[in-house]
Amino acid sequence: DQQVKQNSPSLSVQEGRISILNCDYTNSMFDYFLWYKKYPAEGPTFLISISSIKDKNEDGRFTVFLNKSAKHLSLHIVPSQPGDSAVYFCAASQIYNQGGKLIFGQGTELSVKP
Amino acid sequence: NAGVTQTPKFQVLKTGQSMTLQCAQDMNHEYMSWYRQDPGMGLRLIHYSVGAGITDQGEVPNGYNVSRSTTEDFPLRLLSAAPSQTSVYFCASTLGDSGQDSPLHFGNGTRLTVT
Repeated sequence: DQQVKQNSPSLSVQEGRISILNCDYTNSMFDYFLWYKKYPAEGPTFLISISSIKDKNEDGRFTVFLNKSAKHLSLHIVPSQPGDSAVYFCAASQIYNQGGKLIFGQGTELSVKP
Repeated sequence: NAGVTQTPKFQVLKTGQSMTLQCAQDMNHEYMSWYRQDPGMGLRLIHYSVGAGITDQGEVPNGYNVSRSTTEDFPLRLLSAAPSQTSVYFCASTLGDSGQDSPLHFGNGTRLTVT
């Protein structure tokens, strides 16, 4: 039973345009959500997070939106750059960070073309 | 700071062999965890530890053992390797429930092949 789902395995976007990556979850007890970015042969690196008391969090070109009623979150990257090409994982936990006990989605591979 | 260091980077085992994947962190993080990454499955939690001497199981613990004798080290032991354990393994650490925003810091992974 996949509690966190990323239904798009891949996404291709033109440089300068907006990238929108989506994530759905089933466990209504989740209250902390994160996005990680992963380059080949490297470990995932933290990108941005949001707690369930917010519906939006912004950090530079990256914005995460949370829709609790729909159990859906999305990551917007504006403008997209070729260096953003990577695999993006969304993750969730029941308690704030829960000591690193996160549930991850399957990942979406973003390709930003020049 | 080196962050989270995993060794080896690559390993090939024969079915039935045992081995230990090493993980060390120098950030004085209380919490450490092991994940495996498989195509189409994302990252799945194997075992985690909230401090020295304390460990617990994650989503996919079967076939793996862990111990946490120091804050810095969190080795993962494969008792009798099986082809289903072919995967990329990531160790991660975080400050813990300190009230500070402390996301997981990952190592660069160990790619394991079991033949």
